[in-house]
Amino acid sequence: SQQGEEDPQALSIQEGENATMNCSYKTSINNLQWYRQNSGRGLVHLILIRSNEREKHSGRLRVTLDTSKKSSSLLITASRAADTASYFCATPLGGGYNKLIFGAGTRLAVHP
Amino acid sequence: DVKVTQSSRYLVKRTGEKVFLECVQDMDHENMFWYRQDPGLGLRLIYFSYDVKMKEKGDIPEGYSVSREKKERFSLILESASTNQTSMYLCASRNLGGYYSYEQYFGPGTRLTVT
Repeated sequence: SQQGEEDPQALSIQEGENATMNCSYKTSINNLQWYRQNSGRGLVHLILIRSNEREKHSGRLRVTLDTSKKSSSLLITASRAADTASYFCATPLGGGYNKLIFGAGTRLAVHP
Repeated sequence: DVKVTQSSRYLVKRTGEKVFLECVQDMDHENMFWYRQDPGLGLRLIYFSYDVKMKEKGDIPEGYSVSREKKERFSLILESASTNQTSMYLCASRNLGGYYSYEQYFGPGTRLTVT
């Protein structure tokens, strides 16, 4: 079963524009993570936001978390062609070993 | 930097073959994971290991087994490969944290085709 679901499934923008991706999840969490995957490669961790945080920044990335709505958003500002990738949110399922549940991802295409 | 390596980037096997996918991490992480990734389905957990010789089934363990004899190495075994196991396989490792779940570090993936 999927805990996190991203929206939209695909996004196409021009360089310099902002890109916003959303993630919804179903159960209570203690943190939410965003990962990036370049075409045909492994995933790279971008940012982790804890349940007691509402907003977090890392460079051109801004993540928000609304635990009342069970949703998160990832904003990439001033996008570049190199940001073209798939973006996944992931939430821990709970239990002692912190399994992560990934959504199906948002495919972002940034055109020069 | 944490490095997670996988033995092959691309692999082509025949139906019925026994297939070994190897994963090695160099940061002394306790936890290691095997996922498969299919279009539209995201990542699905096959097995994970929380320590040497310890393993636990994930969401889709059928048709797979794993081995972790050394802390740095986690192997995924397809006992008898079938065409529905054609997929991208991703290995990850994670340092055992406290209350908060820390990030997972992924290898580059192995794209397996079973013909």
